[in-house]
Amino acid sequence: DAGVTQSPTHLIKTRGQQVTLRCSPKSGHDTVSWYQQALGQGPQFIFQYYEEEERQRGNFPDRFSGHQFPNYSSELNVNALLLGDSALYLCASSLNYEQYFGPGTRLTVT
Amino acid sequence: EDQVTQSPEALRLQEGESSSLNCSYTVSGLRGLFWYRQDPGKGPEFLFTLYSAGEEKEKERLKATLTKKESFLHITAPKPEDSATYLCAVRGGRYNTDKLIFGTGTRLQVFP
Repeated sequence: DAGVTQSPTHLIKTRGQQVTLRCSPKSGHDTVSWYQQALGQGPQFIFQYYEEEERQRGNFPDRFSGHQFPNYSSELNVNALLLGDSALYLCASSLNYEQYFGPGTRLTVT
Repeated sequence: EDQVTQSPEALRLQEGESSSLNCSYTVSGLRGLFWYRQDPGKGPEFLFTLYSAGEEKEKERLKATLTKKESFLHITAPKPEDSATYLCAVRGGRYNTDKLIFGTGTRLQVFP
């Protein structure tokens, strides 16, 4: 049984560019949450998707947007990248309350 | 404001030297406290969920406990492979959300 998968593993972008990160949830899970983790910090909640709708959102600007597909996979899009967006982006999937994380995508903005 | 504080920030132990990590939380309407293990550059690995004060969970050398204000992760006779950052998170809060609020973690190093 494959766990949560994310792609790509690493990404380098320039300020002002746009990026799309992808996530496939654990088999049987229908809810996907996205988190941003800066170096030395705990993950910060970005938003959560359920039934292809954004259900909850954290304190992140509108530059951060997402999507969930009918097969429950999800994308995170970030527009107009800033240097401060450099972080590990984590996807977590859940069926009830326990969230299982993927390996993350390391985004570096130069 | 909902908040999670973990201590100590870093902990160095000799192999076999038992210790505890602390997670203090402030949240209205706790609906779960979660412990994760995170290796450098990787995603958090789920360890335990605790729901009510007095609850305890165990897995190998790890035991998690919960009170109304804090949780402890007890590590008995640790081995070098237990070296990692241990993250605590809570679910709950005023708006009854599903989001997890994380602490900044305790970085554990176990030396042979």
